[in-house]
Amino acid sequence: EAGVAQSPRYKIIEKRQSVAFWCNPISGHATLYWYQQILGQGPKLLIQFQNNGVVDDSQLPKDRFSAERLKGVDSTLKIQPAKLEDSAVYLCASSLEVSGNTGELFFGEGSRLTVL
Amino acid sequence: AQSVSQHNHHVILSEAASLELGCNYSYGGTVNLFWYVQYPGQHLQLLLKYFSGDPLVKGIKGFEAEFIKSKFSFNLRKPSVQWSDTAEYFCAVKEGAQKLVFGQGTRLTINP
Repeated sequence: EAGVAQSPRYKIIEKRQSVAFWCNPISGHATLYWYQQILGQGPKLLIQFQNNGVVDDSQLPKDRFSAERLKGVDSTLKIQPAKLEDSAVYLCASSLEVSGNTGELFFGEGSRLTVL
Repeated sequence: AQSVSQHNHHVILSEAASLELGCNYSYGGTVNLFWYVQYPGQHLQLLLKYFSGDPLVKGIKGFEAEFIKSKFSFNLRKPSVQWSDTAEYFCAVKEGAQKLVFGQGTRLTINP
């Protein structure tokens, strides 16, 4: 079974530039998550989709971050404009259950963003 | 809001030593508890999970964890570690339909 695919793996940009990350979840997984993992910290949920609807985006900085999951499959996370503190690994995860209640998430390898 | 605390940021052990990594969560209702592991250069993956029943749960690669409700703890253990256990370990908690909340992680280094 193919895992969660993410791209790009690495991205270096200057502050105030924009960046986009792409995620393709495991086939058939209804729920998709974007996490931000800053160095030395645990992953923090940015946004959770159930199919193509948003379940939780309470910790998404909506003035600069946006995400969409068109057609309930792939997802894109965008940052515009980027700040220095956005330097982190952006993890995409998916889960089979519609509600994600079992909590078993399958993670991609992440996209490492460096903002200079 | 739910919070998760992992007491040890970096643990260094020799092979064959016993391991215990601490995890405490803030008070709440019924919780589901998890340990995830990230081996060097790999993605996060589930090590073990607790939903209900026997508070001692066994996971992959000889790991186990014990849920102690009165202490709000879910410590990870392994009786004899191997060099290949070198990784970062994350405790995570889910309360009902709330989001999965991760601790800050513990980096484990096993010296051969």
